[in-house]
Amino acid sequence: DAGVIQSPRHEVTEMGQEVTLRCKPISGHNSLFWYRQTMMRGLELLIYFNNNVPIDDSGMPEDRFSAKMPNASFSTLKIQPSEPRDSAVYFCASSLRRSPLHFGNGTRLTVT
Amino acid sequence: AQTVTQSQPEMSVQEAETVTLSCTYDTSENNYYLFWYKQPPSRQMILVIRQEAYKQQNATENRFSVNFQKAAKSFSLKISDSQLGDTAMYFCAFMKPGTASKLTFGTGTRLQVTL
Repeated sequence: DAGVIQSPRHEVTEMGQEVTLRCKPISGHNSLFWYRQTMMRGLELLIYFNNNVPIDDSGMPEDRFSAKMPNASFSTLKIQPSEPRDSAVYFCASSLRRSPLHFGNGTRLTVT
Repeated sequence: AQTVTQSQPEMSVQEAETVTLSCTYDTSENNYYLFWYKQPPSRQMILVIRQEAYKQQNATENRFSVNFQKAAKSFSLKISDSQLGDTAMYFCAFMKPGTASKLTFGTGTRLQVTL
């Protein structure tokens, strides 16, 4: 079991550019979560999917953020256009039913 | 909505000593799950321990144990025989049943284990 795999590990981009973060959940897990971690706000849930369907996206900050899960083994979180305040660590996590979350190693995003 | 509060931003403990991290939560639910996650400098989020609210017995995992006080809505983590590798951020988290593992996190406690 390779765990939840996120890429890239680090991303540095300029304001206004499009950023795409990628996640491969653990095989067999049916729920996938995107969290954002900042010093000011801690860990915030952005969106989660159940069986590839978005269930709750109330945490997505604004229309510049979008997430997709085209199949059970892949999800993306896109920010377009990016802004400096989007700088954070973005975590993907997966679970099977109500089992504990398994987190990826996160993507550290820096927008200059 | 559920809230999770960790009132200790930072704590320090000497190696081999015992330390307790505090967590309180607010919910109107009767059945739920509570977790402690560890985040070392490597940034990885690691599950330390899990407690189910309907179980009265406190969960234990090796050197880690919890003191779960349901009436007081308190869920503290005790680390015995602290080791340098325990240095990390520790997050308390709440999960309501039927929410597909959706977690609400506290703000974290930074634990430093010293020689």
